[in-house]
Amino acid sequence: EIVLTQSPATLSLSPGQRATLSCRASQTVNSFLAWYQQKPGQAPRLLIFDASSRATGIPARFRGSGSGTDFTLTISNLEPEDFAVYYCQHSYSWPWTFGQGTKVEIK
Amino acid sequence: QVQLVESGGALVKAGGSLRLSCAVSGLNFGDYYMSWIRQAPGKGLEWVSKISTYGTYTDYAESVKGRFTISRDDAKHSLYLQMNSLRAEDTAVYYCATERFRGSTWFAPWGQGTLVTVSS
Repeated sequence: EIVLTQSPATLSLSPGQRATLSCRASQTVNSFLAWYQQKPGQAPRLLIFDASSRATGIPARFRGSGSGTDFTLTISNLEPEDFAVYYCQHSYSWPWTFGQGTKVEIK
Repeated sequence: QVQLVESGGALVKAGGSLRLSCAVSGLNFGDYYMSWIRQAPGKGLEWVSKISTYGTYTDYAESVKGRFTISRDDAKHSLYLQMNSLRAEDTAVYYCATERFRGSTWFAPWGQGTLVTVSS
Protein backbone atom coordinates (compact mmCIF):
# COMPACT_ATOMS: atom_id res chain seq x y z
CA GLU A 1 0.00 0.00 0.00
CA ILE A 2 1.32 3.42 -0.94
CA VAL A 3 1.43 5.82 2.00
CA LEU A 4 0.93 9.53 1.38
CA THR A 5 2.50 11.82 3.96
CA GLN A 6 1.31 15.42 4.04
CA SER A 7 3.21 18.26 5.63
CA PRO A 8 2.92 20.35 7.57
CA ALA A 9 0.03 19.11 9.67
CA THR A 10 -1.07 22.69 10.26
CA LEU A 11 -0.22 25.86 8.41
CA SER A 12 -1.01 29.18 10.12
CA LEU A 13 -1.21 32.02 7.63
CA SER A 14 -2.95 35.33 7.07
CA PRO A 15 -5.29 36.20 4.21
CA GLY A 16 -3.28 37.35 1.22
CA GLN A 17 -0.34 35.09 1.98
CA ARG A 18 0.79 32.08 -0.02
CA ALA A 19 0.23 28.53 1.24
CA THR A 20 2.53 25.70 0.19
CA LEU A 21 1.33 22.21 1.05
CA SER A 22 3.37 19.07 0.50
CA CYS A 23 2.32 15.50 -0.24
CA ARG A 24 5.00 12.82 -0.40
CA ALA A 25 4.35 9.27 -1.60
CA SER A 26 6.17 6.23 -0.23
CA GLN A 27 6.78 5.13 -3.82
CA THR A 28 6.12 6.63 -7.19
CA VAL A 29 2.54 7.46 -8.13
CA ASN A 30 3.52 8.97 -11.47
CA SER A 31 1.09 11.93 -11.83
CA PHE A 32 -1.87 9.98 -10.45
CA LEU A 33 -2.58 12.43 -7.67
CA ALA A 34 -5.56 14.54 -6.70
CA TRP A 35 -6.12 17.26 -4.12
CA TYR A 36 -9.31 17.96 -2.17
CA GLN A 37 -10.49 20.75 0.10
CA GLN A 38 -12.74 20.04 3.07
CA LYS A 39 -14.43 22.64 5.23
CA PRO A 40 -15.99 21.81 8.62
CA GLY A 41 -19.22 19.86 8.28
CA GLN A 42 -18.87 19.58 4.51
CA ALA A 43 -17.86 16.89 2.07
CA PRO A 44 -14.49 17.09 0.36
CA ARG A 45 -14.37 19.03 -2.88
CA LEU A 46 -12.06 18.18 -5.75
CA LEU A 47 -9.48 20.87 -6.51
CA ILE A 48 -6.79 19.24 -8.63
CA PHE A 49 -6.53 15.98 -10.61
CA ASP A 50 -3.66 14.45 -12.55
CA ALA A 51 -1.34 16.33 -10.18
CA SER A 52 -1.73 19.69 -11.91
CA SER A 53 -5.11 19.99 -13.65
CA ARG A 54 -7.62 22.25 -11.95
CA ALA A 55 -11.14 20.94 -11.59
CA THR A 56 -14.05 22.86 -13.08
CA GLY A 57 -14.76 26.07 -11.22
CA ILE A 58 -11.58 26.06 -9.15
CA PRO A 59 -9.88 29.47 -9.04
CA ALA A 60 -6.49 29.94 -10.66
CA ARG A 61 -4.90 30.71 -7.30
CA PHE A 62 -4.90 26.95 -6.66
CA ARG A 63 -1.98 25.27 -8.40
CA GLY A 64 -0.82 21.67 -8.23
CA SER A 65 2.62 20.51 -9.22
CA GLY A 66 4.96 17.54 -8.97
CA SER A 67 5.27 13.99 -10.17
CA GLY A 68 6.74 10.73 -8.97
CA THR A 69 6.83 10.95 -5.18
CA ASP A 70 6.78 14.68 -4.39
CA PHE A 71 3.79 16.93 -4.93
CA THR A 72 2.85 20.45 -3.95
CA LEU A 73 -0.42 22.34 -3.71
CA THR A 74 0.15 26.08 -3.78
CA ILE A 75 -2.56 28.54 -2.89
CA SER A 76 -1.49 32.03 -3.78
CA ASN A 77 -3.10 35.06 -2.17
CA LEU A 78 -5.20 33.19 0.42
CA GLU A 79 -8.84 34.18 0.54
CA PRO A 80 -10.92 33.82 3.75
CA GLU A 81 -12.81 30.88 2.20
CA ASP A 82 -9.56 28.97 1.61
CA PHE A 83 -9.02 28.19 5.29
CA ALA A 84 -9.82 24.50 5.42
CA VAL A 85 -8.26 21.04 5.47
CA TYR A 86 -6.59 19.75 2.33
CA TYR A 87 -6.08 16.11 1.38
CA CYS A 88 -4.08 14.43 -1.36
CA GLN A 89 -5.13 11.08 -2.87
CA HIS A 90 -3.31 8.75 -5.26
CA SER A 91 -4.73 6.28 -7.78
CA TYR A 92 -1.53 4.69 -9.02
CA SER A 93 -1.98 1.23 -7.56
CA TRP A 94 -4.52 -0.58 -5.46
CA PRO A 95 -5.62 0.41 -2.86
CA TRP A 96 -5.98 4.09 -3.44
CA THR A 97 -5.14 6.04 -0.32
CA PHE A 98 -5.42 9.56 1.07
CA GLY A 99 -2.92 11.62 2.97
CA GLN A 100 -3.72 12.53 6.56
CA GLY A 101 -4.48 16.14 5.67
CA THR A 102 -3.04 19.62 6.16
CA LYS A 103 -5.09 22.19 8.00
CA VAL A 104 -4.69 25.76 6.76
CA GLU A 105 -5.77 28.02 9.59
CA ILE A 106 -6.00 31.75 10.05
CA LYS A 107 -3.05 33.19 11.90
CA GLN B 1 -26.65 19.91 -11.34
CA VAL B 2 -25.21 16.66 -10.05
CA GLN B 3 -26.45 15.64 -6.62
CA LEU B 4 -25.59 12.69 -4.40
CA VAL B 5 -27.70 12.18 -1.29
CA GLU B 6 -26.79 9.55 1.26
CA SER B 7 -29.17 8.11 3.81
CA GLY B 8 -29.42 5.24 6.24
CA GLY B 9 -26.88 6.27 8.83
CA ALA B 10 -27.85 5.51 12.42
CA LEU B 11 -26.72 4.45 15.88
CA VAL B 12 -26.26 0.70 15.97
CA LYS B 13 -24.78 -1.76 18.43
CA ALA B 14 -21.58 -3.62 17.70
CA GLY B 15 -22.32 -6.75 15.72
CA GLY B 16 -25.35 -5.18 14.12
CA SER B 17 -26.13 -4.35 10.50
CA LEU B 18 -27.00 -1.27 8.53
CA ARG B 19 -27.71 -0.46 4.90
CA LEU B 20 -26.66 2.87 3.45
CA SER B 21 -28.16 4.33 0.30
CA CYS B 22 -26.97 7.01 -2.08
CA ALA B 23 -29.43 8.56 -4.52
CA VAL B 24 -27.79 10.16 -7.55
CA SER B 25 -29.30 12.73 -9.88
CA GLY B 26 -28.07 15.04 -12.61
CA LEU B 27 -25.88 12.55 -14.43
CA ASN B 28 -26.25 9.25 -16.27
CA PHE B 29 -25.65 7.10 -13.19
CA GLY B 30 -25.16 3.90 -15.16
CA ASP B 31 -22.08 5.33 -16.90
CA TYR B 32 -20.05 5.77 -13.72
CA TYR B 33 -18.05 3.73 -11.28
CA MET B 34 -18.99 4.65 -7.71
CA SER B 35 -17.23 4.50 -4.37
CA TRP B 36 -17.93 4.73 -0.67
CA ILE B 37 -15.40 6.68 1.38
CA ARG B 38 -15.55 7.18 5.13
CA GLN B 39 -14.19 9.60 7.69
CA ALA B 40 -13.99 8.74 11.36
CA PRO B 41 -14.69 11.64 13.74
CA GLY B 42 -11.82 14.11 13.61
CA LYS B 43 -9.82 11.86 11.29
CA GLY B 44 -8.84 11.65 7.65
CA LEU B 45 -10.44 9.96 4.67
CA GLU B 46 -10.49 6.21 4.04
CA TRP B 47 -11.67 4.62 0.81
CA VAL B 48 -14.06 1.76 1.66
CA SER B 49 -15.46 0.16 -1.48
CA LYS B 50 -16.03 0.62 -5.18
CA ILE B 51 -18.31 -0.79 -7.83
CA SER B 52 -17.96 -0.74 -11.59
CA THR B 53 -20.57 0.02 -14.16
CA TYR B 54 -23.21 -2.74 -14.33
CA GLY B 55 -21.92 -3.95 -10.95
CA THR B 56 -19.62 -6.46 -12.62
CA TYR B 57 -16.63 -5.60 -10.44
CA THR B 58 -16.42 -4.68 -6.78
CA ASP B 59 -13.58 -4.16 -4.37
CA TYR B 60 -13.17 -3.45 -0.69
CA ALA B 61 -10.67 -2.11 1.78
CA GLU B 62 -9.12 -4.89 3.86
CA SER B 63 -10.71 -3.40 6.95
CA VAL B 64 -14.24 -4.15 5.68
CA LYS B 65 -13.73 -7.11 3.38
CA GLY B 66 -16.15 -9.93 4.18
CA ARG B 67 -18.42 -7.65 6.22
CA PHE B 68 -19.54 -4.96 3.77
CA THR B 69 -21.23 -5.42 0.38
CA ILE B 70 -21.57 -2.71 -2.23
CA SER B 71 -24.30 -2.82 -4.86
CA ARG B 72 -26.12 -0.58 -7.28
CA ASP B 73 -29.51 -0.26 -8.94
CA ASP B 74 -29.08 1.65 -12.17
CA ALA B 75 -32.82 1.85 -12.75
CA LYS B 76 -33.18 3.67 -9.44
CA HIS B 77 -29.96 5.69 -9.85
CA SER B 78 -28.91 4.40 -6.47
CA LEU B 79 -25.83 3.02 -4.75
CA TYR B 80 -25.91 0.90 -1.62
CA LEU B 81 -23.61 -0.32 1.12
CA GLN B 82 -24.74 -3.26 3.24
CA MET B 83 -22.72 -3.26 6.44
CA ASN B 84 -22.75 -6.36 8.64
CA SER B 85 -20.86 -7.32 11.80
CA LEU B 86 -20.31 -3.68 12.59
CA ARG B 87 -17.48 -2.70 14.91
CA ALA B 88 -16.79 0.42 16.94
CA GLU B 89 -14.03 1.34 14.49
CA ASP B 90 -16.60 1.54 11.67
CA THR B 91 -17.98 4.69 13.31
CA ALA B 92 -17.65 7.40 10.67
CA VAL B 93 -19.36 9.67 8.20
CA TYR B 94 -19.85 7.65 5.05
CA TYR B 95 -19.69 9.49 1.74
CA CYS B 96 -20.66 8.21 -1.67
CA ALA B 97 -18.67 9.65 -4.53
CA THR B 98 -18.56 9.45 -8.30
CA GLU B 99 -15.33 8.15 -9.78
CA ARG B 100 -13.83 10.05 -12.67
CA PHE B 101 -10.81 8.93 -14.59
CA ARG B 102 -8.50 9.98 -17.37
CA GLY B 103 -5.43 7.92 -16.67
CA SER B 104 -5.65 8.63 -12.95
CA THR B 105 -8.85 8.40 -10.91
CA TRP B 106 -10.40 10.98 -8.69
CA PHE B 107 -13.68 11.48 -6.86
CA ALA B 108 -16.13 14.20 -7.85
CA PRO B 109 -18.68 15.06 -6.73
CA TRP B 110 -19.30 13.71 -3.23
CA GLY B 111 -22.52 13.43 -1.28
CA GLN B 112 -22.96 15.28 2.00
CA GLY B 113 -22.39 12.10 4.01
CA THR B 114 -24.36 10.03 6.48
CA LEU B 115 -23.20 9.29 10.03
CA VAL B 116 -22.84 5.74 11.26
CA THR B 117 -22.22 5.32 14.98
CA VAL B 118 -21.42 1.88 16.34
CA SER B 119 -21.68 1.50 20.10
CA SER B 120 -19.55 -1.12 21.78
